[in-house]
Amino acid sequence: DQQVKQNSPSLSVQEGRISILNCDYTNSMFDYFLWYKKYPAEGPTFLISISSIKDKNEDGRFTVFLNKSAKHLSLHIVPSQPGDSAVYFCAASGRNTPLVFGKGTRLSVIA
Amino acid sequence: DTEVTQTPKHLVMGMTNKKSLKCEQHMGHRAMYWYKQKAKKPPELMFVYSYEKLSINESVPSRFSPECPNSSLLNLHLHALQPEDSALYLCASSQRARGATDTQYFGPGTRLTVL
Repeated sequence: DQQVKQNSPSLSVQEGRISILNCDYTNSMFDYFLWYKKYPAEGPTFLISISSIKDKNEDGRFTVFLNKSAKHLSLHIVPSQPGDSAVYFCAASGRNTPLVFGKGTRLSVIA
Repeated sequence: DTEVTQTPKHLVMGMTNKKSLKCEQHMGHRAMYWYKQKAKKPPELMFVYSYEKLSINESVPSRFSPECPNSSLLNLHLHALQPEDSALYLCASSQRARGATDTQYFGPGTRLTVL
């Protein structure tokens, strides 16, 4: 049973436009959510996180939104750049729950 | 500094070999993790060490044996592996194993091929 779901396996966006990556979760015990970026044959790189007491967190071009009632979060990248092309993993954890990853979304930013 | 280092970067071994993967962090983190990642799949948790003690073992076969010599180092000893164990092995660390806002930082991984 997938506790963290990324339903879009891939996404293509034009350079300069907004990329929106979505993530849903089912475990109400999750209270901390993270986005990681991963290139092939490399480890995931931490991008941005949000705790359940917030509904938005921003860091430069990256913004994460959390809708607890819908158990949904999204990552916005504005403006998108070719170097953003990678696989993005949504992950969630709780006080007594280890980190759980979604299956990832492959983002392609087209110049 | 959020660097986790892993050696070797690549490893090819036979099914009768014994080898070890190494991981190191100098961020003062007290939790360290081993994950396994197959192609086009998310990382899967194998082991968690908290304050140098094994706190989680996700039913990993005994041919994988973790070791935490000190708070900065984490090893994964491999023996009698199977070809299906070929994967990217990722190490991560965080300030503590359980907490409301505990971010894990990952190393670059070791690409393991079992022949």
